Amino acid sequence: NAGVTQTPKFRILKIGQSMTLQCAQDMNHNYMYWYRQDPGMGLKLIYYSVGAGITDKGEVPNGYNVSRSTTEDFPLRLELAAPSQTSVYFCASSYFSGGPGDTQYFGPGTRLTVL
Amino acid sequence: EDQVTQSPEALRLQEGESSSLNCSYTVSGLRGLFWYRQDPGKGPEFLFTLYSAGEEKEKERLKATLTKKESFLHITAPKPEDSATYLCAVHINQAGTALIFGKGTTLSVSS
Repeated sequence: NAGVTQTPKFRILKIGQSMTLQCAQDMNHNYMYWYRQDPGMGLKLIYYSVGAGITDKGEVPNGYNVSRSTTEDFPLRLELAAPSQTSVYFCASSYFSGGPGDTQYFGPGTRLTVL
Repeated sequence: EDQVTQSPEALRLQEGESSSLNCSYTVSGLRGLFWYRQDPGKGPEFLFTLYSAGEEKEKERLKATLTKKESFLHITAPKPEDSATYLCAVHINQAGTALIFGKGTTLSVSS
C-alpha cells in the first residue's frame, strides 16, 4: 500500500492564482481530512469528509473548497490565493469504525508559498 | 474550549539521557489520545493511541502513559535518530471530528 499520497510536494503561487492540491489514499478509509500547519502552531483542520459526496468545514475553511467524488480522492481547491495561505498542507485518512479513537494516517505534505 | 498543551517546546538531550515530554489536555470527552512523530519536511508518523487513564504503551525506547488530565512520552536512553518533533493530539466525543493537536515538542539528541 502507498498509504496517503499528495501532489505536488512544493508549489509557488502568485496572489490571486488558483490551484488544486491532490490527495489519494489506497487503504479504503471512509474518512479523509485536510490540515494546514504553520510554523510554531499545531495542525489546524480545514475540511473533512466522512464519505464520497459528504464534506464539512473544519476550524479554518475560508479560502478553500473541497469535493469528494470517490472514496480514494479528496482534492483541496484554493481560489484566489492570498499570502495568508502560505503553509504546509497535510491530507490524512482514517477508518471510522464507531469505536474509540480511530487512527489518522498522514500524507507527506504540500509546501505552498503565495507571493 | 477543548485544547491541548505540550511542554517543553524544545528539549535537548545527550545520547543516553532519559527524559519525558508532557501533553496536558482539557476536553469535553476523550475518545483517544495520539502521539505522532514528525521529521523535518515529512508528514506526522503515528506512534501510539491511548484510550483510558492508566493505559501504557511501549515501542523501542518510547513509552506513552495516560492520566485523566495528561499524557507523558518517556524516552529511555535516547539516540540521535530519536531527534524529531513529537506531536500530541486528542480525538473528542463527536463523530466525524478531527484531531486537536498541540504545538509539539522538538527533541534534539546529540552524541
